[in-house]
Amino acid sequence: DTEVTQTPKHLVMGMTNKKSLKCEQHMGHRAMYWYKQKAKKPPELMFVYSYEKLSINESVPSRFSPECPNSSLLNLHLHALQPEDSALYLCASSQVGQGGETQYFGPGTRLLVL
Amino acid sequence: QQQVKQSPQSLIVQKGGISIINCAYENTAFDYFPWYQQFPGKGPALLIAIRPDVSEKKEGRFTISFNKSAKQFSLHIMDSQPGDSATYFCAASDRGQNFVFGPGTRLSVLP
Repeated sequence: DTEVTQTPKHLVMGMTNKKSLKCEQHMGHRAMYWYKQKAKKPPELMFVYSYEKLSINESVPSRFSPECPNSSLLNLHLHALQPEDSALYLCASSQVGQGGETQYFGPGTRLLVL
Repeated sequence: QQQVKQSPQSLIVQKGGISIINCAYENTAFDYFPWYQQFPGKGPALLIAIRPDVSEKKEGRFTISFNKSAKQFSLHIMDSQPGDSATYFCAASDRGQNFVFGPGTRLSVLP
């Protein structure tokens, strides 16, 4: 099973709302990632978790708050977002190693901030 | 230093033709070079990947050519099919610490 699942598929929220994105994998991967992808652009790395610990935070605003409750789950908590945060949010997972580990991506959550 | 350049931005190929997408990088610490294929509304999916100790890798109709001295690598899609129409991203990784995507190439294969 090489599947990464993400819920919800679509999300519309106001600027004062609090919502969460969820990502799950059962491949035994110990590295998990959040990416943001705008239309016609490549994915941009936001956060990396390695063994459930945050290892990389690419200077993401604090209105995005990641959480890795266990090795299979990754959440992204959203609060007070701006319209420019509207994008496709992708989760990925991989083995942890010295490099060259394939990242498996989920289908993404399409977020619209009004 | 962290950028990966990719060209062309868009590509139109006739069915059965060869599609060629080129990428270049500056950071010599990059040691893993994957190509991803992304269909509209889907997440990127790994197509093929190469390490710098190999100059070419072939998997079915897809071939990566790697030129370490020029810091360039390319994807060749042989016998291109309409089902190959998608956006292709090259990427580069530095021992898993940095993962950078190129800007993407939108490929259209005409029937």
